[in-house]
Amino acid sequence: DIQMTQSPSSLSASVGDRVTITCRASQSISSYLNWYQHKPGKAPKVLIYAASSLQSGVPSRFSGSGSGTDFTLTISSLQPEDFATYCCQQSYSIPYTFGQGTKLEI
Amino acid sequence: QVQLVESGGGVVQPGGSLRLSCAASGFSFSSYGMHWVRQAPGKGLEWVAFIRYDGSNKYYADSVKGRFTISRDNSKNTLYLQINSLRAEDTAVFHCAKDNVDSSGYYYYMDVWGKGTMVTVSS
Repeated sequence: DIQMTQSPSSLSASVGDRVTITCRASQSISSYLNWYQHKPGKAPKVLIYAASSLQSGVPSRFSGSGSGTDFTLTISSLQPEDFATYCCQQSYSIPYTFGQGTKLEI
Repeated sequence: QVQLVESGGGVVQPGGSLRLSCAASGFSFSSYGMHWVRQAPGKGLEWVAFIRYDGSNKYYADSVKGRFTISRDNSKNTLYLQINSLRAEDTAVFHCAKDNVDSSGYYYYMDVWGKGTMVTVSS
């Protein structure tokens, strides 16, 4: 199975900050990497697919980059509604696997 | 609007069974593969199972293989997860999610999720 490792596991930031979260795969997954946002009691939401494609309706302050084994999610200017948990997921091979999540706190 | 609503969770004793349901609306359910993903308390998301649009192929995480069965009824726009031989470590919120592919046809992702249904395994 492909292991996905995110860092950091938690992050404190302020409104307006630029934030970067990283995700590393245990083997090359090309660009088969997705990013999700998850808030307690709510449905997870896809932000980025195929490593760098912005999902329709997602604000442009979110961006993704990387290929192979190393990926990043960047939020250019944090908004109050962005405080949530973010996780990466590989769709290169089944079983699909997720990173352990990064909790973004105020 | 496009929506997934899970139901069927509850408290069950170790060794027990449950059947989870996921009602889909707002899209052509029979055209898309579907996933179950769970999140145990304090843990990250864990992919559980996937079924192709027509039910022809099913895939499972090793941790649930032989105990969980994914199925679908396209005439009812409903996805199911039969969970048997439940263990304490199966305690989690179970989400269903719709599979999608980008315009190239190569990159798959889960574009619609439900809020989940809680399964608690406890004596």
